[in-house]
Amino acid sequence: GAVVSQHPSWVICKSGTSVKIECRSLDFQATTMFWYRQFPKQSLMLMATSNEGSKATYEQGVEKDKFLINHASLTLSTLTVTSAHPEDSSFYICSARDRGASGGELFFGEGSRLTVL
Amino acid sequence: DAKTTQPPSMDCAEGRAANLPCNHSTISGNEYVYWYRQIHSQGPQYIIHGLKNNETNEMASLIITEDRKSSTLILPHATLRDTAVYYCIVRSGSGNTPLVFGKGTRLSVIA
Repeated sequence: GAVVSQHPSWVICKSGTSVKIECRSLDFQATTMFWYRQFPKQSLMLMATSNEGSKATYEQGVEKDKFLINHASLTLSTLTVTSAHPEDSSFYICSARDRGASGGELFFGEGSRLTVL
Repeated sequence: DAKTTQPPSMDCAEGRAANLPCNHSTISGNEYVYWYRQIHSQGPQYIIHGLKNNETNEMASLIITEDRKSSTLILPHATLRDTAVYYCIVRSGSGNTPLVFGKGTRLSVIA
């Protein structure tokens, strides 16, 4: 299957700082990527849809000014958690679809675990 | 909200077939059934998907009832590495819509 890579895999930061997480499609191009968040023992929750060359679409309850999404190329989307606080500690996961494939399956990154002290 | 219902947990003996059920009684005509699994602390892994015909690949088989209101994912010979949370998701076939995850089924494969 297609490969989606996230970086960093884990990050620890101090409260009030900003953290950037990268999501790359390694062997395909993706016009759309999706960002999810997962708290311990819970399911994945969709945060936003990242569209190449345009503004992201955020789910209800997700602050767009806090979670900045940039999708500047067909292989890279970034999520920046601004002024992070301990409640932002979570597992962040991105997914993407190969725009050149006929199937609709989405492929997921390995996830990025954020811990805010 | 998720459009599927799955049992919260199941056990399966190693080497036996694991049959994971899913109800999706409100599925519409253009929606596919997708199955993903998530091993602890990893991103979800695509398993299989189908519209109305049964599907098989190297990982699993997907059996969809004729009325499409339910389906079963079959892992033919479960191993300890198949222990994971399995998610059944219905999604339109447009391809650019996200996956909406429910709570899934936690499958424990026991030696």
